[in-house]
Amino acid sequence: AQSVTQLGSHVSVSEGALVLLRCNYSSSVPPYLFWYVQYPNQGLQLLLKYTSAATLVKGINGFEAEFKKSETSFHLTKPSAHMSDAAEYFCAVSDQGFQKLVFGTGTRLLVSP
Amino acid sequence: DAGVTQSPTHLIKTRGQQVTLRCSPISGHKSVSWYQQVLGQGPQFIFQYYEKEERGRGNFPDRFSARQFPNYSSELNVNALLLGDSALYLCASSADQASLSYNEQFFGPGTRLTVL
Repeated sequence: AQSVTQLGSHVSVSEGALVLLRCNYSSSVPPYLFWYVQYPNQGLQLLLKYTSAATLVKGINGFEAEFKKSETSFHLTKPSAHMSDAAEYFCAVSDQGFQKLVFGTGTRLLVSP
Repeated sequence: DAGVTQSPTHLIKTRGQQVTLRCSPISGHKSVSWYQQVLGQGPQFIFQYYEKEERGRGNFPDRFSARQFPNYSSELNVNALLLGDSALYLCASSADQASLSYNEQFFGPGTRLTVL
């Protein structure tokens, strides 16, 4: 069975600071990995995805993530936080055949001025 | 292009009632998935349908059912509602394997169900 662990239910940063949201996965098959963002009272928006191509994946809004097989990690980073980045972030895993997504419990990013 | 649409936006029901939620996928997408997101948690997979056939089911009781129509829209039905069914229900659509975005799921805004 696949699973995802997101360390830290809340992460607080100052505007302009580095954003680091942690995600570790467990999968018995080569995984596809995703980061989604959810703003209040909205659905999920895909930030970026890893599908066994380049290990460093660049997404929208300046976010990127690096797939590290040896560490089973797929951490999300952004060099400089903006106030508009405040939202809930979800890491998710799926296998390469079936499109079922298994989500982590989410990390709420708080950005202070 | 229109994204995934869901109706209604909000719904209030009482325990024991039945509810039907609706989803229209992105044009050209033949696969629809349903997820339940309880407050403070990540979404949980309920069903996936492709070409009107069920391709997968999550760990949900038989009170939950779904179907997909010839135009690829979908309905999620929940019978005998419980307080614990209160959640945001998300629908997602995805493209065929031939598409570059095959492994992406595009989510709708969700239907907020409150069971009293």
